[in-house]
Amino acid sequence: DARVTQTPRHKVTEMGQEVTMRCQPILGHNTVFWYRQTMMQGLELLAYFRNRAPLDDSGMPKDRFSAEMPDATLATLKIQPSEPRDSAVYFCASGGRGVNEQFFGPGTRLTVL
Amino acid sequence: RKEVEQDPGPFNVPEGATVAFNCTYSNSASQSFFWYRQDCRKEPKLLMSVYSSGNEDGRFTAQLNRASQYISLLIRDSKLSDSATYLCVVNRAGLTGGGNKLTFGTGTQLKVEL
Repeated sequence: DARVTQTPRHKVTEMGQEVTMRCQPILGHNTVFWYRQTMMQGLELLAYFRNRAPLDDSGMPKDRFSAEMPDATLATLKIQPSEPRDSAVYFCASGGRGVNEQFFGPGTRLTVL
Repeated sequence: RKEVEQDPGPFNVPEGATVAFNCTYSNSASQSFFWYRQDCRKEPKLLMSVYSSGNEDGRFTAQLNRASQYISLLIRDSKLSDSATYLCVVNRAGLTGGGNKLTFGTGTQLKVEL
């Protein structure tokens, strides 16, 4: 049963610390998305990649967030330095070629104190 | 104005009731439409796509009105297990040509009670 995996599942950190979240997309999927979900804003698209190339990161605060895809099996989202307002659930999702459905990972629940 | 708008609910209904969710979207160039379901503290999962002619999957019926930019989801004979948040999702026509770029509504929470 192919799934998107994310690590860590939970992260509590202090303001100013670096946070790195990792995602392994479903094997063979060529599109990877990073979302942030909060009660107030719902699901917001932060960035997405196709064939490992970044296509759109307009939803991401550029000064502190960065997203990369060093290889086809790993996507990373970094926050440096983290702030309390970054507290949210961060989801990674992947999609196959020509398919609209996105498959979500279980999310990383981030709390910045 | 948000690109995709939904009533946040919660909708509290008795088991067996019929419940309808509505959604409007602002981008007339939107191409594809979906309903996703999200259980508490879980990830969103695709429930069904929405086609212009309307489509049904068991107790679930989805409809699209492109002229009004309106999408609906009807759940008949609701079960306790239907309790979840239902997310209206629209595929934007992205400038980058990304056919998979989705915009999610904030979701409508449904609670089905005994």
